[in-house]
Amino acid sequence: EVQLVESGGGLVQPGRSLRLSCAASGFTFDDYAMHWVRQAPGKGLEWVSGISWNSGSIGYADSVKGRFTISRDNAKNSLYLQMNSLRAEDTALYYCAKDITAGTIVFDAFDIWGQGTMVTVSS
Amino acid sequence: QLVLTQSPSASASLGASVKLTCTLSSGHSSYAIAWHQQQPEKGPRYLMKLNSDGSHSKGDGIPDRFSGSSSGAERYLTISSLQSEDEADYYCQTWGTGMVFGGGTKLTVL
Repeated sequence: EVQLVESGGGLVQPGRSLRLSCAASGFTFDDYAMHWVRQAPGKGLEWVSGISWNSGSIGYADSVKGRFTISRDNAKNSLYLQMNSLRAEDTALYYCAKDITAGTIVFDAFDIWGQGTMVTVSS
Repeated sequence: QLVLTQSPSASASLGASVKLTCTLSSGHSSYAIAWHQQQPEKGPRYLMKLNSDGSHSKGDGIPDRFSGSSSGAERYLTISSLQSEDEADYYCQTWGTGMVFGGGTKLTVL
């Protein structure tokens, strides 16, 4: 079964850091680009960041550029999001998502989503 | 700028059909999109990838009741024989100069 399981969310104070993880199974992880997408309470989906299969192509939303860092460990079938200088507006459910097309450095549609991990930024 | 526009809400009766619209911004009418469904309290689920010519490829296990079509800058998701579990938020997504989601359409099944 193809599965993505996020972890690492929690309550954190403004200005602090948090690292999210996404464990992938059921597919050849190192063939596909991966992404982080977030959803603030009661709001729509917002793409946060994406990374190609070989980490050669990385992109960020303007809202997180310079504060968040995406990475992956293909040997561990894992995706990460290092979040620094967190703000109240970063409060959201963070989803991990898999790109639909193998072996490209150009991002595409998402065909598999995780269930999300909640990040709350508050003092 | 690459933008996707969706109506905030739609409604239709149980057993009827509904057509949801996602509109690409000017200059981007050739772009493919994807449709995703998000049922209450659940993560999104991929429905299909929809090309500008109307061809589409659906995700595993997506019923035949779900279909896609295109006209110019508009991309459509049609759901026929509506069931109660189709009540959900529907998002379109595109990519190219950035990765973009539409604001979502909340579908109510009456």
